[in-house]
Amino acid sequence: DGGITQSPKYLFRKEGQNVTLSCEQNLNHDAMYWYRQDPGQGLRLIYYSQIVNDFQKGDIAEGYSVSREKKESFPLTVTSAQKNPTAFYLCASSIPQYNEQFFGPGTRLTVL
Amino acid sequence: AQSVTQPDIHITVSEGASLELRCNYSYGATPYLFWYVQSPGQGLQLLLKYFSGDTLVQGIKGFEAEFKRSQSSFNLRKPSVHWSDAAEYFCAAVLIQGAQKLVFGQGTRLTINP
Repeated sequence: DGGITQSPKYLFRKEGQNVTLSCEQNLNHDAMYWYRQDPGQGLRLIYYSQIVNDFQKGDIAEGYSVSREKKESFPLTVTSAQKNPTAFYLCASSIPQYNEQFFGPGTRLTVL
Repeated sequence: AQSVTQPDIHITVSEGASLELRCNYSYGATPYLFWYVQSPGQGLQLLLKYFSGDTLVQGIKGFEAEFKRSQSSFNLRKPSVHWSDAAEYFCAAVLIQGAQKLVFGQGTRLTINP
């Protein structure tokens, strides 16, 4: 079945450590996205990529970094510069014509 | 500014009752519109979408939505809710043709009373 996988489901890290969240899709979509979701809030866009080897900052990119070396993969690194990294992180990919986005199951990151 | 607004943060309805969740957008032309549902701790699932044509669109799980240009609205409806419909619902839109980003509303949390 085609879809988006995110791993791990839950992630715990100590303050000051960098951590990388995985996102893989086999939908053959060109575009991929990372969102952050805090309790009781909507989705905020961190980074997005329309094509391999290219990506753009979203609304809250500070303290995060990404890479897009393969069409299928769009990993997100939460760096020690991110002041409040504890959140639920969602990855998505889309059909470019209408930007219909398909979401992964999410990763809950807790920084201790 | 381009925005999507969901006026109701939290709605409670009784099982079997009808449901309407509101969504308004601010933009001049006709946007692409979506409704997503999110169960706790899960990703978002697409319920339905509107690109053009018939303004009443049918989705999964018995949901429908109506696009009203005059009111800049895309309200989600269901005739009779089930306990399993309890979740967070997000309205989203592509507000500019060719835009690379979806604009999301803040979400409406739906609680079902038995």
